[in-house]
Amino acid sequence: RKEVEQDPGPFNVPEGATVAFNCTYSNSASQSFFWYRQDCRKEPKLLMSVYSSGNEDGRFTAQLNRASQYISLLIRDSKLSDSATYLCVVTPNSGYALNFGKGTSLLVTP
Amino acid sequence: NAGVTQTPKFQVLKTGQSMTLQCAQDMNHNSMYWYRQDPGMGLRLIYYSASEGTTDKGEVPNGYNVSRLNKREFSLRLESAAPSQTSVYFCASSEEGTVGYTFGSGTRLTVV
Repeated sequence: RKEVEQDPGPFNVPEGATVAFNCTYSNSASQSFFWYRQDCRKEPKLLMSVYSSGNEDGRFTAQLNRASQYISLLIRDSKLSDSATYLCVVTPNSGYALNFGKGTSLLVTP
Repeated sequence: NAGVTQTPKFQVLKTGQSMTLQCAQDMNHNSMYWYRQDPGMGLRLIYYSASEGTTDKGEVPNGYNVSRLNKREFSLRLESAAPSQTSVYFCASSEEGTVGYTFGSGTRLTVV
């Protein structure tokens, strides 16, 4: 099982829609979880951390399910500007640095 | 608000040439990283430096060397470039390994 797995998509949704991404991870001991956003030909940028109790930042909600080892990202009222690739990031099985998933591509259309 | 600065932004090399990618951060972060990103492969860690004076191999270190010159700077060297090293290279920094990273804008390298 890969350390971090994401559905690559693309997810094509109309403006205003609600869309959710899931990400599964293999290290049951992982303590740190993040969602990053990467625009085309740009660097990844931290979108939000994911806390055990779940957290919300405006239209974005992140949830962690430790029992099933997955994290989710919910985007409400999608905007054209939300079009990007969303990277799931977790603490690795071994080593020091965070483990990045390959990303889920989202395209929001008018 | 410079954050993480990478140079150059673009580079074309011939097979066998060498070059050094430069990275500097102004956030007083302890840890720095070099990743490469290829289509369909995601971000793969090449080398990292947990703190000044230390460096360690990541997932794909072959063909690369690094130097943590000081707390601010972490360079990546390709001694003899190969076409398989054509990629986008990102440098990142963080306070330590398990907190959010700040990335540079990347270097697009083509080896012909």
